[in-house]
Amino acid sequence: QVQLVESGGGVVQPGGSLRLSCAASGFTFNVYGMHWVRQAPGKGLEWVAIIRYDGSTQLYADSVRGRFTISRDNSNNTLYLQLNSLKAEDTAVYYCAKDGVGQTSFDYWGPGTLVTVSS
Amino acid sequence: EIVLTQSPATLSLSPGESATLSCRASQSVSRYVAWYQQKPGQAPRLLVYDATTRATGIPTRFSGSGSGTDFTLTISSLEPEDFAVYYCQQRSNWRITFGQGARLDVK
Repeated sequence: QVQLVESGGGVVQPGGSLRLSCAASGFTFNVYGMHWVRQAPGKGLEWVAIIRYDGSTQLYADSVRGRFTISRDNSNNTLYLQLNSLKAEDTAVYYCAKDGVGQTSFDYWGPGTLVTVSS
Repeated sequence: EIVLTQSPATLSLSPGESATLSCRASQSVSRYVAWYQQKPGQAPRLLVYDATTRATGIPTRFSGSGSGTDFTLTISSLEPEDFAVYYCQQRSNWRITFGQGARLDVK
């Protein structure tokens, strides 16, 4: 069965960096686009970034463009998100999610990893 | 950016009743709307994609409708496990957005 498991979250000071990972299994990783979606405490869902199945294209939300970088390692079935220049408003649970049929939805999600930006 | 507005923000119903949740887009998104259910402490779960297609394993009491700018998620005969927060999401272009969420509470 499809499994996505995030790791790498934690507490970091404003201006700091963190690298999140998402280990994928149960499907052919290198044929699907992958996303990061975040959710601030008590708030709604916010799409963060997408990477094409082959890593050739990455797109970002305006709120993170220039600070976050999405990447993938298809040989190890792993998705990454590098978070730089972190701000308090980046505090959230970060989910990785798999592209669904027709690439119009997210059909599987990981349980999420919490990033807290605080001094 | 396409804004999705969900209504009502909160809906209070009893088990066995039917729920109707709405999602309005600020411009046409064709049929590219999905619906998710989220329970406290859990990741969202895909219910419906492309406005009307139920995801794998989703009970038939969940149904989606709409196109263009107006979409609806209907849950017929609510079960106790259906009380949760529901989000709509659009992907008519690469700037993916979600609605603000709608809470379905037990009356």
